[in-house]
Amino acid sequence: DQQVKQNSPSLSVQEGRISILNCDYTNSMFDYFLWYKKYPAEGPTFLISISSIKDKNEDGRFTVFLNKSAKHLSLHIVPSQPGDSAVYFCACRGSTLGRLYFGRGTQLTVWP
Amino acid sequence: AAGVIQSPRHLIKEKRETATLKCYPIPRHDTVYWYQQGPGQDPQFLISFYEKMQSDKGSIPDRFSAQQFSDYHSELNMSSLELGDSALYFCASSSLWGRAGNEQFFGPGTRLTVL
Repeated sequence: DQQVKQNSPSLSVQEGRISILNCDYTNSMFDYFLWYKKYPAEGPTFLISISSIKDKNEDGRFTVFLNKSAKHLSLHIVPSQPGDSAVYFCACRGSTLGRLYFGRGTQLTVWP
Repeated sequence: AAGVIQSPRHLIKEKRETATLKCYPIPRHDTVYWYQQGPGQDPQFLISFYEKMQSDKGSIPDRFSAQQFSDYHSELNMSSLELGDSALYFCASSSLWGRAGNEQFFGPGTRLTVL
């Protein structure tokens, strides 16, 4: 069963606007959450992460929000740029050095 | 900064052949993970090693084996290849120290095609 879900397979946003990518998980034991960006024919690139003890983490244009009660996290990109166009994977971890559980990914397209 | 290195980048094999994928983690990273990503799928965890010992095992077929060597590089050995083994195989590395092993950093992947 899919423990991490990204229900939007695609998202299209105009350059300069906000992109919001969503992720839901089912396992309450997850303690660390990550977002990866992936271009075709490349490996996932780490973007930003958040620990379960926080509800927000910000790094430049990227902010991740965590709502533990709802088992939901989101990635906000402001402002969006054409170079942000890629597949974004949400990943969750259950323990230090533990395996990652991935969502199916969301294809983000930022158009000029 | 040095990244995770995987070789080969592309591999074409026939059914029932064997394949060996190699992974060189980021220097001073002590943990290596292997993931398999099928077409249109999310990466699925196969196996991981911490300090040269298997630390976790996921949905890895019995036909596959892996190990981590004294220099921390890892090899994934795949035998009796099947058409369904065609996928992208990613290696990731992490370190218990520094950021407490929270982030995994991925290599570019090996695309395996089984004909």
